[in-house]
Amino acid sequence: GAGVSQSPSNKVTEKGKDVELRCDPISGHTALYWYRQSLGQGLEFLIYFQGNSAPDKSGLPSDRFSAERTGGSVSTLTIQRTQQEDSAVYLCASSHFTDTQYFGPGTRLTVL
Amino acid sequence: GEDVEQSLFLSVREGDSSVINCTYTDSSSTYLYWYKQEPGAGLQLLTYIFSNMDMKQDQRLTVLLNKKDKHLSLRIADTQTGDSAIYFCAEKSGGSSNTGKLIFGQGTTLQVKP
Repeated sequence: GAGVSQSPSNKVTEKGKDVELRCDPISGHTALYWYRQSLGQGLEFLIYFQGNSAPDKSGLPSDRFSAERTGGSVSTLTIQRTQQEDSAVYLCASSHFTDTQYFGPGTRLTVL
Repeated sequence: GEDVEQSLFLSVREGDSSVINCTYTDSSSTYLYWYKQEPGAGLQLLTYIFSNMDMKQDQRLTVLLNKKDKHLSLRIADTQTGDSAIYFCAEKSGGSSNTGKLIFGQGTTLQVKP
């Protein structure tokens, strides 16, 4: 079946602009995760959604970052007033409950 | 806190075995994973091992887990040039929150020379 998809694959933006990154999880998966991969910090957990439960936002680096998951499926990660340090690859993963996570191809964000 | 450590680079000749090592600190980890990342791509699940096992074999891949020493290794037999990539070790966070979030190592770049 189809895997996790993410869009756009690449996003270049100017400092101070807002960006939205989209993730389509594997159909039927209850859990959705966002991670960030950057040169200085490696792979970091950002946020976790599980069904209709309140999300675990403990990994979000600042209040400029937010995410939502509509209808228990598609998720959007929003970064407001982007900064150069936000440049990274943003990876989405989904799983059935807390089973094995399957990753999408990522969105490479470049903030100029 | 939770931490996962890997060596950063490994170079082998085609046909040799590769062994990538990883250490972790969270004794409540339930599952440990190996993911592969090729240039410009996402993370591809290679294999995983449950914490009550000490070995798992899957075709050319062998995972060894020493829970006492919190040491995990991935052995790739008959390494091919197509195995050149970055390999990430990850532990599934245990603890009371039980979100299943993964804690990743820094990644080991495997270079396979023909």
